[in-house]
Amino acid sequence: DTGVSQNPRHKITKRGQNVTFRCDPISEHNRLYWYRQTLGQGPEFLTYFQNEAQLEKSRLLSDRFSAERPKGSFSTLEIQRTEQGDSAMYLCASSLFSDLTDTQYFGPGTRLTVL
Amino acid sequence: GQQVMQIPQYQHVQEGEDFTTYCNSSTTLSNIQWYKQRPGGHPVFLIQLVKSGEVKKQKRLTFQFGEAKKNSSLHITATQTTDVGTYFCAGPASNTGKLIFGQGTTLQVKP
Repeated sequence: DTGVSQNPRHKITKRGQNVTFRCDPISEHNRLYWYRQTLGQGPEFLTYFQNEAQLEKSRLLSDRFSAERPKGSFSTLEIQRTEQGDSAMYLCASSLFSDLTDTQYFGPGTRLTVL
Repeated sequence: GQQVMQIPQYQHVQEGEDFTTYCNSSTTLSNIQWYKQRPGGHPVFLIQLVKSGEVKKQKRLTFQFGEAKKNSSLHITATQTTDVGTYFCAGPASNTGKLIFGQGTTLQVKP
């Protein structure tokens, strides 16, 4: 297993366009998380799934953001009508959740630039 | 809401000097996790501490979890240029799976 992968690694788009990012977690990890990171800050939680169920969404996640994990494996994050303030690194992480541990392993991220 | 604070924000050291970053949570944590992010990279998991007062070592890195489970520290002995990066602590938000990250401490090491 090669770890968490994300595609694309970089995305440049014009304001108002829709973008979609994909995350492939570590095999058999039951939890998948999306975070957003801007320069000089720690990652900020956006949403997470346990298997295919979306268990929590941050208040940061406006109606323009939607995430899916249809078969409990890969996940997509879509941003509609992008704004310049959406420019950030979007990080995906996965974990094998249990009562004892929920260590999250991060992917390389997708860097979004909105012009 | 729940917050995790880290100090200092930046630290410049001469190679061979020691380095410490401190992490404080506004609430008691069930565990605390530490990550390292190299420039241009993504957070890489270093360690998780669970028990009150726990101390764990990884070579030159020593991690501590406070007795009250609200604070933690990472100490690096005799820094090397390979230690350069930003070190984040993160704690789980109450009753959820999400991690609350500190702002990070960026370490620069002069050779």
